Amino acid sequence: DIQMTQSPSSLSASVGDRVTITCRASQAFSNYLAWYQQKPGKVPKLLIYGTSTLQSGVPSRFSGSGSGTDFTLTISSLQPEDVAIYYCQKYNSAPFTFGPGTKVDIK
Amino acid sequence: QVQLVESGGGVVQPGRSLRLSCAASGFTFSNTIMHWVRQAPDKGLEWVAVISHDSSSKFYGDSVKGRFTISRDNSKNTVYLHLNSLRLDDTAVFFCARAPTGRGLDSWGQGTLVTVSS
Repeated sequence: DIQMTQSPSSLSASVGDRVTITCRASQAFSNYLAWYQQKPGKVPKLLIYGTSTLQSGVPSRFSGSGSGTDFTLTISSLQPEDVAIYYCQKYNSAPFTFGPGTKVDIK
Repeated sequence: QVQLVESGGGVVQPGRSLRLSCAASGFTFSNTIMHWVRQAPDKGLEWVAVISHDSSSKFYGDSVKGRFTISRDNSKNTVYLHLNSLRLDDTAVFFCARAPTGRGLDSWGQGTLVTVSS
């Protein structure tokens, strides 16, 4: 089975900073990679699917890229409301593994 | 709008069983793949199971394989998760989520808490 890792496990950045989160798979797979945001005490929310397609209603400061084994979520200008844990997930085939998450805080 | 409402959680002793339900509305349920995902207290998301739109395909995460069973009733717009041989480390909030083809898990329920405790 493909394992998913994320780096960093946590980060602290200033409002307005550009933030990059990396998701790495143990084997290459197609572009069926999604990113989710989970704010404290809330339900996970889909941000990006198909590696780079923004889910409807998600601010354009979020973007995704990558291929093969390496994928990236970028927040172009960090906002206070972006404080959350971000998870990647492969969904090309079972098991639909999530990454361990990256916690994003405001400095 | 899309709505997913889980129910059936509660406190259960190790080794016992539980059935979770997820009632769906606001979309064509019978055409949609459905997932269960869980989250242990202060832990990350763990994918649990998936069922195809017509129940012909079902897959499970390694930690629940052989103990949990996913099913659905398209006439009732409901997906189920049968939890057997529960263990202490099954304690978690269980979410159901829908998965339109190729689009990830785009809608999630509020979750139902399962607590396994002696």
